[in-house]
Amino acid sequence: SYELTQPLSVSVALGQTARITCGGNNIGRKNVHWYQQKPGQAPVLIIFRNNNRPSGIPERFSGSNSGNTATLTISRAQAGDEADYHCQVWDKSPAVFGGGTKLTVL
Amino acid sequence: EVQLVESGGGLVQPGGSLRLSCAASGFTFSDSAMHWVRQASGKGLEWVGRIKSKADNYGTEYAAPMKGRFTISRDDSKNTAYLQMNSLETEDTAVYYCTRLGGGPDALDMWGQGTMVTVSS
Repeated sequence: SYELTQPLSVSVALGQTARITCGGNNIGRKNVHWYQQKPGQAPVLIIFRNNNRPSGIPERFSGSNSGNTATLTISRAQAGDEADYHCQVWDKSPAVFGGGTKLTVL
Repeated sequence: EVQLVESGGGLVQPGGSLRLSCAASGFTFSDSAMHWVRQASGKGLEWVGRIKSKADNYGTEYAAPMKGRFTISRDDSKNTAYLQMNSLETEDTAVYYCTRLGGGPDALDMWGQGTMVTVSS
């Protein structure tokens, strides 16, 4: 079965740029979706199909996907961006999630 | 208001059963495929399974650990999806989320608040 690998944690200074990776075999051939999950809350879709933002998601959030790595980029990080971030692809029908990355804003 | 509201979680003994409900509002439920995703405490998200719409013959699919034990169904007249869980194991302890597959994004674009299931003796 298909597997996605994310770093357990990423730290970023306030106002700087954070990059969270999601690794998978030829993941560049798949559409990657990203979810943000704040403590005690349900996940929220923030990027779909690699680099598209749903309505209401700030432009500071962007995504890219190539080769074996997809990347979520958060520009001008804010304290409110502290959360767990999960990548996801469809492996035919089943959804596959990465293990999640905890973002800390210093 | 567009929302999903889960209910039915609770404490159950190993080997027991539980049925979760997911009440939808604010969108055309009957046109949407519905998925269930769970999350054990401190862990990542795990896909449980999904049910397609009537247009796709209500097709269901499940993650391997759930096959034969879990059943997803829906009642479009009540705008509600269900997750029937049988032969529960301690490893099934988690928060269970109901989610909608957004046709445009092809992603899970709406999530309920989750309901906690605890399997313990």
